[in-house]
Amino acid sequence: KQEVTQIPAALSVPEGENLVLNCSFTDSAIYNLQWFRQDPGKGLTSLLLIQSSQREQTSGRLNASLDKSSGRSTLYIAASQPGDSATYLCAVRRGGDYGQNFVFGPGTRLSVLP
Amino acid sequence: NAGVTQTPKFQVLKTGQSMTLQCAQDMNHNSMYWYRQDPGMGLRLIYYSASEGTTDKGEVPNGYNVSRLNKREFSLRLESAAPSQTSVYFCASSAPGLRFDQPQHFGDGTRLSIL
Repeated sequence: KQEVTQIPAALSVPEGENLVLNCSFTDSAIYNLQWFRQDPGKGLTSLLLIQSSQREQTSGRLNASLDKSSGRSTLYIAASQPGDSATYLCAVRRGGDYGQNFVFGPGTRLSVLP
Repeated sequence: NAGVTQTPKFQVLKTGQSMTLQCAQDMNHNSMYWYRQDPGMGLRLIYYSASEGTTDKGEVPNGYNVSRLNKREFSLRLESAAPSQTSVYFCASSAPGLRFDQPQHFGDGTRLSIL
């Protein structure tokens, strides 16, 4: 059974710092991995999608990497801002599953202090 | 762009009552999903519909039923609500694509409390 973990569970940093969020999964047979942002009381906003054949994806100050063999992905946020404060979730799309289902991690709650 | 729309946004029920959560998407997606989100447990899949006319159980289907009314709409029904079903419910959709390479798009959620 695919399990997804995220470390740390919570993180507080001063504005301007570069930071790394970690996502680990137990089964490397995935189609892709998606990073989401969730603001309090809101739904999930897709940030980056990395296909299994890719090593990384970039969008603005965000960079996500994928190492399938080791079951790891990282989300790098450059020059953090208070507006980046949110919970960040990763989700892997399972291979060999016709239902095309995602398995989610529990999230990392990020606070960027002004 | 509306994307994925869920109604209602909030609901309080008494144990034993029934209700239906509504979800509609305007992106012409084939696949739709219902998740619940509980503190410390992440999102768990309740039911999904890979395409119009099909539905399948996810990880936690007990106590729920679904209907894929048409390509746009996918509803979730609680027949006899229980306090354990207090949660935030999210609907999502995606286009299947080749090698399942399409992202999921989420609604804003329904916050449901069962007393």
